[in-house]
Amino acid sequence: GAGVSQSPSNKVTEKGKDVELRCDPISGHTALYWYRQRLGQGLEFLIYFQGNSAPDKSGLPSDRFSAERTGESVSTLTIQRTQQEDSAVYLCASSFLTSSAQFFGPGTRLTVL
Amino acid sequence: DAKTTQPNSMESNEEEPVHLPCNHSTISGTDYIHWYRQLPSQGPEYVIHGLTSNVNNRMASLAIAEDRKSSTLILHRATLRDAAVYYCILRGSNYKLTFGKGTLLTVNP
Repeated sequence: GAGVSQSPSNKVTEKGKDVELRCDPISGHTALYWYRQRLGQGLEFLIYFQGNSAPDKSGLPSDRFSAERTGESVSTLTIQRTQQEDSAVYLCASSFLTSSAQFFGPGTRLTVL
Repeated sequence: DAKTTQPNSMESNEEEPVHLPCNHSTISGTDYIHWYRQLPSQGPEYVIHGLTSNVNNRMASLAIAEDRKSSTLILHRATLRDAAVYYCILRGSNYKLTFGKGTLLTVNP
């Protein structure tokens, strides 16, 4: 596709349930990033992939968060046993190289009731 | 990452030029100056970046001071669609983008 796509666009879940968020990067982009943006706050880095390896997972808030990437394609961010504080917009970005501009998807708005 | 300082907000009129300033007095020699913007309810959007020389693209121009301690993003003719939060970010070897509070640009019709 022409840009980064994410699905679902909105997700409402109950506290304690698991959720999976998907990101389809721009074709040919080797680097993929996940960020989180809470309401009224700035972007918070979560994890970065180079190919299908994740050299930096330092931003993941807890062990309930995990992510994987298939080759240089789709990535999935999984949140287990969701908590209300996990409510946020989860943004995915990709770039051709790690030094290149990052192109963002529209985000997934997660609401944990 | 070196710190940037931007005004919290700015206002412009439609069809007029807008100059968005950014101070980065602790910039290192290898830091690139990146600008992103975030429209309401959307993900951030890349605008432009540069190292030392002024840069132009279809969205904007970037004017970089000779000492590189400041830069200015120039929108030549503001439209209502340019209303957004504009972020000035220094990027060295770090792959992650660190977003500050940015400048909220309001464009009046």
